[in-house]
Amino acid sequence: AQSVTQPDIHITVSEGASLELRCNYSYGATPYLFWYVQSPGQGLQLLLKYFSGDTLVQGIKGFEAEFKRSQSSFNLRKPSVHWSDAAEYFCAVGDGGGGSNYKLTFGKGTLLTVNP
Amino acid sequence: GAVVSQHPSWVICKSGTSVKIECRSLDFQATTMFWYRQFPKQSLMLMATSNEGSKATYEQGVEKDKFLINHASLTLSTLTVTSAHPEDSSFYICSAADSHSNQPQHFGDGTRLSIL
Repeated sequence: AQSVTQPDIHITVSEGASLELRCNYSYGATPYLFWYVQSPGQGLQLLLKYFSGDTLVQGIKGFEAEFKRSQSSFNLRKPSVHWSDAAEYFCAVGDGGGGSNYKLTFGKGTLLTVNP
Repeated sequence: GAVVSQHPSWVICKSGTSVKIECRSLDFQATTMFWYRQFPKQSLMLMATSNEGSKATYEQGVEKDKFLINHASLTLSTLTVTSAHPEDSSFYICSAADSHSNQPQHFGDGTRLSIL
């Protein structure tokens, strides 16, 4: 069965500092990988996704992530964090069920706090 | 971009009542819809997958008689929590997908359910 591990439950960074959120996955084939962001009491917003091709993917709000098959990782990065980036971040793996109706398995999330 | 509307956003009701949550795709045909449950400060857990016109497929451990899912049209799926009790209090989120496209799933904003 597929699984996702986000080792960091809570990360605090200063505004303007760089950010890296870690994500490791377990999946038997080439995975579909996603990063979502959730503000308190809200739904999920897709930051970026990896299906195939270039292993460095660009997303919205200045985020990027790199798929490293050898490390089973899909870490999220941002060069300069803004206070509005404070939120919960979820990494997810899809089972590649075809089209877009794949099942998603989420990690436990990383809460990002941004200090002024 | 694609929009998924979830209603209501927050509901409080007495123990023993049934609660219906709606999930609508506003500008695309949702051949598949997913229902997730999220406990406070935890990740999203997939409850069930529903394909339009078919019975929902429930994940292991989810009571199908407790959580009734209907997906009668390509734009609407409903989740009914029957005879709700305080332990059913949670944040419920739906997502919708068009299996004929390569677009990722789109999430609703969630429904906060509180059972007194």
